Amino acid sequence: NAGVTQTPKFQVLKTGQSMTLQCAQDMNHEYMSWYRQDPGMGLRLIHYSVGAGITDQGEVPNGYNVSRSTTEDFPLRLLSAAPSQTSVYFCASSPPSGALGSDTQYFGPGTRLTVL
Amino acid sequence: AQSVAQPEDQVNVAEGNPLTVKCTYSVSGNPYLFWYVQYPNRGLQFLLKYITGDNLVKGSYGFEAEFNKSQTSFHLKKPSALVSDSALYFCAVSDTSGTYKYIFGTGTRLKVLA
Repeated sequence: NAGVTQTPKFQVLKTGQSMTLQCAQDMNHEYMSWYRQDPGMGLRLIHYSVGAGITDQGEVPNGYNVSRSTTEDFPLRLLSAAPSQTSVYFCASSPPSGALGSDTQYFGPGTRLTVL
Repeated sequence: AQSVAQPEDQVNVAEGNPLTVKCTYSVSGNPYLFWYVQYPNRGLQFLLKYITGDNLVKGSYGFEAEFNKSQTSFHLKKPSALVSDSALYFCAVSDTSGTYKYIFGTGTRLKVLA
């Protein structure tokens, strides 16, 4: 298994540009989530999904959109990038509820985004 | 509201000495508690968790953590530190309603000195 994969690894945007951060997992995990990591603030939950077709907001959802059309993929869209969105973004997934390890998250390697 | 506190930004320890990384939490109900480690330019890796049962939880790479309900703490420990343990450590608490929403602490950088 490749686990949780994220693309791209690095990205530089100009203010106002849009882009999509890709996240995929091949472990048949129901739960997927997006976090941003900023110095001194730990990880903050942006959006999450408990299954295909179901998404919900986390702690810091403004400026981001998500969709979950398949179990495997959970892309994060920045509609109009702002310098405040400069961060490292992590995608994570968990097994289905009740399955072994369902309360443990598996993280991707991250995407480092800079908005100028 | 749930919250997690890691009071130390950095912990320095000599190789071979015991280490402790502190974590306190605030939740309503019974907590699910986790420790994750992040090496440079990598994603987070699961170390250990407390769901229920024995208050002393053993995890990967020789780490353990003690759940203390009266002090609302979940400190990470290792009897003998290695230079390779140097990394960023995160404590987290999970929403026990079944949605698996994590609240992370701000992280503690552990530096093990040779």
